[in-house]
Amino acid sequence: GAGVSQSPSNKVTEKGKDVELRCDPISGHTALYWYRQSLGQGLEFLIYFQGNSAPDKSGLPSDRFSAERTGGSVSTLTIQRTQQEDSAVYLCASSLDLAGAGFGELFFGEGSRLTVL
Amino acid sequence: EDKVVQSPLSLVVHEGDTVTLNCSYEVTNFRSLLWYKQEKKAPTFLFMLTSSGIEKKSGRLSSILDKKELFSILNITATQTGDSAIYLCAVEAEAGGGADGLTFGKGTHLIIQP
Repeated sequence: GAGVSQSPSNKVTEKGKDVELRCDPISGHTALYWYRQSLGQGLEFLIYFQGNSAPDKSGLPSDRFSAERTGGSVSTLTIQRTQQEDSAVYLCASSLDLAGAGFGELFFGEGSRLTVL
Repeated sequence: EDKVVQSPLSLVVHEGDTVTLNCSYEVTNFRSLLWYKQEKKAPTFLFMLTSSGIEKKSGRLSSILDKKELFSILNITATQTGDSAIYLCAVEAEAGGGADGLTFGKGTHLIIQP
């Protein structure tokens, strides 16, 4: 498809287990973002990738969270030793970030709903 | 710390009414303000505003930015039940190529009753 694809759409896991969430951005989009939306909260920025630059990890809530982007395309968000407070919808977005021109329109995936029991 | 505040948090109106949603912000090195409509899980882009006083319009939706008073409004006229959604406001800061991402408000939950 032409949009941002995320998987899995739903994930239920037990506290303490590791999870991986995947994002396949729109082809050609150099910028990729991960956000988290918890119940009653606004979207919370987690991490930003732009081309081959070092990612901006300033939004990651703890060292249990990490993300990588291979080959400038697919990204994986990993949460280790999950906690109940990690339960949220994790949204990925991509955009054409024209080298400092700002990103304007973000294209979002459908999100991955994570439930930690 | 950058901050985006939306009001009201929720709003219930009848079909055909006009609504105005508010977004105020505090951000260092403002670049743009964006409005999104969120139905289900994935927000869809509505408007990007960078210049003060210039109205963006798309059908029954319009938005304007006031950079002096640091706020934006989103207007929806002749509302329809399909307008029911959470409307998110986000602000982008000028910070080395967007490295900080967007700062989002908590959203306004709009419900249009038939």
